[in-house]
Amino acid sequence: AQKITQTQPGMFVQEKEAVTLDCTYDTSDQSYGLFWYKQPSSGEMIFLIYQGSYDEQNATEGRYSLNFQKARKSANLVISASQLGDSAMYFCAMREGRAAGNKLTFGGGTRVLVKP
Amino acid sequence: GAGVSQSPRYKVAKRGQDVALRCDPISGHVSLFWYQQALGQGPEFLTYFQNEAQLDKSGLPSDRFFAERPEGSVSTLKIQRTQQEDSAVYLCASSPQGHSSGANVLTFGAGSRLTVL
Repeated sequence: AQKITQTQPGMFVQEKEAVTLDCTYDTSDQSYGLFWYKQPSSGEMIFLIYQGSYDEQNATEGRYSLNFQKARKSANLVISASQLGDSAMYFCAMREGRAAGNKLTFGGGTRVLVKP
Repeated sequence: GAGVSQSPRYKVAKRGQDVALRCDPISGHVSLFWYQQALGQGPEFLTYFQNEAQLDKSGLPSDRFFAERPEGSVSTLKIQRTQQEDSAVYLCASSPQGHSSGANVLTFGAGSRLTVL
């Protein structure tokens, strides 16, 4: 079974609008972490936001927020007020409790294209 | 350095050739990871180092893949007798600590794109 599932292969969003990127995960660990990374065409993976499994509040980082629904095992990324520079691939990733160092398992990604 | 540096950025190899990809992590970072990213897919874990010790190599697809980090800083991923299915972007990432925690975020390099003809 896939540990991280991103069901939206690609989506368009109008500039200045909000967009939600879906991510569901599968783990039997009680302690885990969820991450979102952005990968522009240059190729580098850029860390956006982190949510720990024991965090009661949803994480926020500027225009990024993570809608964490533990019972549903979902960790959706919300980007508010989209900008042209937000056009990129977005990856959801999970670190499970037993993972050495900070080993991450990634989903297949969602490509976002922001239209002017 | 300020970030994770990888070289070469692009490598074209003929099938059967050996290649070596270099990663220079952020200075002082304990953990170093290699990932393989096929076109249009998410990164897949290859191997993990904590300082010079290779603690996890469960993701290496075959014995043609070999990684080392002899002095606990720079790492090299070597692929012997390359095959077409090895074509991918190879990403290196480092993090400051050796344990799993929220603050221990992976910082990635820009990757080395390998094309095997």
